[in-house]
Amino acid sequence: EAQVTQNPRYLITVTGKKLTVTCSQNMNHEYMSWYRQDPGLGLRQIYYSMNVEVTDKGDVPEGYKVSRKEKRNFPLILESPSPNQTSLYFCASRSSGGRGYGYTFGSGTRLTVV
Amino acid sequence: AQSVTQLDSQVPVFEEAPVELRCNYSSSVSVYLFWYVQYPNQGLQLLLKYLSGSTLVESINGFEAEFNKSQTSFHLRKPSVHISDTAEYFCAVSDGSGNTPLVFGKGTRLSVIA
Repeated sequence: EAQVTQNPRYLITVTGKKLTVTCSQNMNHEYMSWYRQDPGLGLRQIYYSMNVEVTDKGDVPEGYKVSRKEKRNFPLILESPSPNQTSLYFCASRSSGGRGYGYTFGSGTRLTVV
Repeated sequence: AQSVTQLDSQVPVFEEAPVELRCNYSSSVSVYLFWYVQYPNQGLQLLLKYLSGSTLVESINGFEAEFNKSQTSFHLRKPSVHISDTAEYFCAVSDGSGNTPLVFGKGTRLSVIA
């Protein structure tokens, strides 16, 4: 089954403790991205990657890092999490153009930073 | 850069009544338009999309949306809602090159009342 897999689904951590949220896709998509969802703000893009070793900032990149060492994986790294990073995070990959153009989203990771 | 405005943050409607969720986007030469649905405590699911061709697009569960270029709108409609349609709905846009990030609106919470 074509899918984007995020782990963990839920995470509670303390301020300053480094964490990584993993994202993996099995569709051989070149483009991947991370979003955060906050009430009343919709989804905002954190980082995206056009291909292996190519990443760029989205609208809200502060406090986050990403890496793209292989096509299928796109981890999101919080080096020193703060409470304002408490949010629901989604990873997505994008199929190429034509009628099949579209995004596939992971199931989400609910992060709480205390 | 693209932007999306969802004009209503909350829409309450009685079961079996019609509903329209409004979405306007900033102008561009060409655009790709999407509606996603998020059921309580779940991830994002693609409801329908417009890439090109017919301006009226339909989903398998009775929703439809019409791309209106002159009004830069992509409103979502359903002639008769069910309790199970209670969810948050997000409109999203990217430009027609397919190479720009997907930009989301802030969402509309549809509540269907028995």
